[in-house]
Amino acid sequence: GIQVEQSPPDLILQEGANSTLRCNFSDSVNNLQWFHQNPWGQLINLFYIPSGTKQNGRLSATTVATERYSLLYISSSQTTDSGVYFCAVESLATSGSRLTFGEGTQLTVNP
Amino acid sequence: GAGVSQSPSNKVTEKGKDVELRCDPISGHTALYWYRQSLGQGLEFLIYFQGNSAPDKSGLPSDRFSAERTGGSVSTLTIQRTQQEDSAVYLCASRAGTSGAPPYNEQFFGPGTRLTVL
Repeated sequence: GIQVEQSPPDLILQEGANSTLRCNFSDSVNNLQWFHQNPWGQLINLFYIPSGTKQNGRLSATTVATERYSLLYISSSQTTDSGVYFCAVESLATSGSRLTFGEGTQLTVNP
Repeated sequence: GAGVSQSPSNKVTEKGKDVELRCDPISGHTALYWYRQSLGQGLEFLIYFQGNSAPDKSGLPSDRFSAERTGGSVSTLTIQRTQQEDSAVYLCASRAGTSGAPPYNEQFFGPGTRLTVL
């Protein structure tokens, strides 16, 4: 099946710093989503981005489908950005079915 | 409702007992998914429903796990004869499908049920 790799696994920032999280995937995708898992375990949708670039406030994401990677940018980080960020993809081969998740990036933003 | 809801939020049970977990998808969403999140395995897919049928059950870890969906809405995940390795957070997600507003493929997750098997 499709493989999803996220980097870095852990990231510690000072408040106000910028960061880039990366997601590599091994096959063509029909769907790519970025999630933030908050301290209560809820998965919050950040972006639905199978290709192209999107921005939402301090967050933006870019997916280059032909090169099989996606990037999540966090600018001017805040302590509330702390948590685990997951990339998840739906393989073109199994369209309509499961999301395959990466292992996540644990982000800690210190005041 | 406005989002995916799950119940109970927490469930503690004794080894060998049966448990039922419930998921209410976003109104009108035709596709429903169950995943689980455990320390050793990350987030893994269990089963997918399109309407009331389950075209992909390949993620169910054993025959002790089963799920059904009735009326194209509520789904129940049942674990029989629970084992300690079943302890995890069970997450439900739903997707609009082609009958809904685009993007049709975006999945939205519920808050999860934390299952602890003693």
